[in-house]
Amino acid sequence: KAGVTQTPRYLIKTRGQQVTLSCSPISGHRSVSWYQQTPGQGLQFLFEYFSETQRNKGNFPGRFSGRQFSNSRSEMNVSTLELGDSALYLCASSLDGGGYEQYFGPGTRLTVT
Amino acid sequence: KQEVTQIPAALSVPEGENLVLNCSFTDSAIYNLQWFRQDPGKGLTSLLLIQSSQREQTSGRLNASLDKSSGRSTLYIAASQPGDSATYLCAVPSSSNTGKLIFGQGTTLQVKP
Repeated sequence: KAGVTQTPRYLIKTRGQQVTLSCSPISGHRSVSWYQQTPGQGLQFLFEYFSETQRNKGNFPGRFSGRQFSNSRSEMNVSTLELGDSALYLCASSLDGGGYEQYFGPGTRLTVT
Repeated sequence: KQEVTQIPAALSVPEGENLVLNCSFTDSAIYNLQWFRQDPGKGLTSLLLIQSSQREQTSGRLNASLDKSSGRSTLYIAASQPGDSATYLCAVPSSSNTGKLIFGQGTTLQVKP
């Protein structure tokens, strides 16, 4: 069974631009969560999607948004990029959230210059 | 509010040594606890998932225990090898119906040949 895939793996953007990251969960998994990881803040939860609905949201500004498609693939979008958005963005999938094992993708490394 | 703590933040041991990594959580009403491994710049690899009704789980040289009443989990690594060098993270779900995980800050392990 294929694991969680994320594209692209690396991105370099300029301040003010916007970016879209993609996550394809393990087949059959309906929950997709997104995290931002930085050296100073560790892993911070962005949001979770389940069956195309946002089920939970972290404390990030509205510039961070996401969506989930009917095939459970998810995208997250960051508008008006800031230098502080440079981070490793990780997505995780599971069958149905908290009671189930979470599987993470390899991440997308975003650098904002 | 659930908080997860991992001590120590870093650990260096000689090859072959048995070692224990610690994870503590403030709210004992957890549904499960998951241990992950992260190599630099990479995604998280799930090592072990312990359900709340279990006391321990084993996978190869890894053994994870869970004591809900005391709010603690330990990850025991037997006969450590240089390839075990990585950051180890523990995490608990914020509730049963969400994929949001609450992570500790991790323990960075270095196993010296």
